[in-house]
Amino acid sequence: LAKTTQPISMDSYEGQEVNITCSHNNIATNDYITWYQQFPSQGPRFIIQGYKTKVTNEVASLFIPADRKSSTLSLPRVSLSDTAVYYCLVGDGSGGFKTIFGAGTRLFVKA
Amino acid sequence: GAVVSQHPSRVICKSGTSVKIECRSLDFQATTMFWYRQFPKQSLMLMATSNEGSKATYEQGVEKDKFLINHASLTLSTLTVASAHPEDSSFYICSARSDRGEEKLFFGSGTQLSVL
Repeated sequence: LAKTTQPISMDSYEGQEVNITCSHNNIATNDYITWYQQFPSQGPRFIIQGYKTKVTNEVASLFIPADRKSSTLSLPRVSLSDTAVYYCLVGDGSGGFKTIFGAGTRLFVKA
Repeated sequence: GAVVSQHPSRVICKSGTSVKIECRSLDFQATTMFWYRQFPKQSLMLMATSNEGSKATYEQGVEKDKFLINHASLTLSTLTVASAHPEDSSFYICSARSDRGEEKLFFGSGTQLSVL
């Protein structure tokens, strides 16, 4: 299983763009990259998923370089409600999709 | 997206009590579900993989006689914490993989277990 490494914490201000980078050097060919958001005392919530290049949805963008050894979650114009822990996961969805969580990045958005 | 319902959201019980937590996939079938526990300010730790119609696969260090998992149908997995003790107090979360060809997991809202 691919191991992921993220910054432990980040601070930002409302209205700024936040980029969180995740390293996954031993990502396998079949692996997708998925980001989740977790608020205290809640289960993680799916944000975005990608395999290569760039993916964008209504809440975030995901940038994946050609070698796929890292990925960057981009949150445009964050608000106080984006304060949460963000997890980057790597897995291929086959054979049961066993998922190991890394430490995640604790994002704190200030007014 | 797919919905996973976890119940109850909070349990407070006396030491020695067995506690059952349910995880249901509401609008899809889940042949595989996962159970995690999470301590305050820490990441999710995978406890076991629950497979419909077969025995669960436990991660190293997780006592299968303490954490009993049953996955009797394609939409329901249960985790029973047998004879709970204060050290079992934690936040328990389940997840299920969508059967719609989506390569992602959907998570329950979690259960906060407090053992007195």
